[in-house]
Amino acid sequence: GAGVSQSPSNKVTEKGKDVELRCDPISGHTALYWYRQSLGQGLEFLIYFQGNSAPDKSGLPSDRFSAERTGGSVSTLTIQRTQQEDSAVYLCASSLETGKQFFGPGTRLTVL
Amino acid sequence: QKEVEQNSGPLSVPEGAIASLNCTYSDRGSQSFFWYRQYSGKSPELIMFIYSNGDKEDGRFTAQLNKASQYVSLLIRDSQPSDSATYLCAVYYGNNRLAFGKGNQVVVIP
Repeated sequence: GAGVSQSPSNKVTEKGKDVELRCDPISGHTALYWYRQSLGQGLEFLIYFQGNSAPDKSGLPSDRFSAERTGGSVSTLTIQRTQQEDSAVYLCASSLETGKQFFGPGTRLTVL
Repeated sequence: QKEVEQNSGPLSVPEGAIASLNCTYSDRGSQSFFWYRQYSGKSPELIMFIYSNGDKEDGRFTAQLNKASQYVSLLIRDSQPSDSATYLCAVYYGNNRLAFGKGNQVVVIP
């Protein structure tokens, strides 16, 4: 079956612009996660959704970051007024069982 | 603060040898432990999980858990060049959250 998909795969933007990153989880997976991974670094948790609700937004770095999930499926991560330090790979994962997360291919964001 | 430590630097092993990776965690109440593999430029994929003390084997991989000492390890037997990757230890500590370690890079030398 289809895995987790993310779009775009690459995004180059100018400092100060807004960007939207999309995640399509595996069908039926109720939990959805966003992570950020900078070059050579570990996974930084951003936000977690259970259904359409986000019980844990504790990882969002600033109020420039927001995310939503609709229909218990697709999720969008929005970064407003992008900064160079936002450059990273943004990974989405979905899960049906605790701890067993399936990751998408990621979106590589470059802020010039 | 839920911490997961993977302190070893890059691990180079000859093809056919055993690669041994260790991970320690801070939350004594953690019950579920996972190993993810991440190839360069790719996203992580789950390869092993373990819930009980002792060993769990799956093919060439063995996960070992010692809750009293708060460590979990991964052994890769008969290492192959295709095993060259970064291995991430992850610990479940509740509220549907995983804490990930920073990973250990393994290089298998043919």
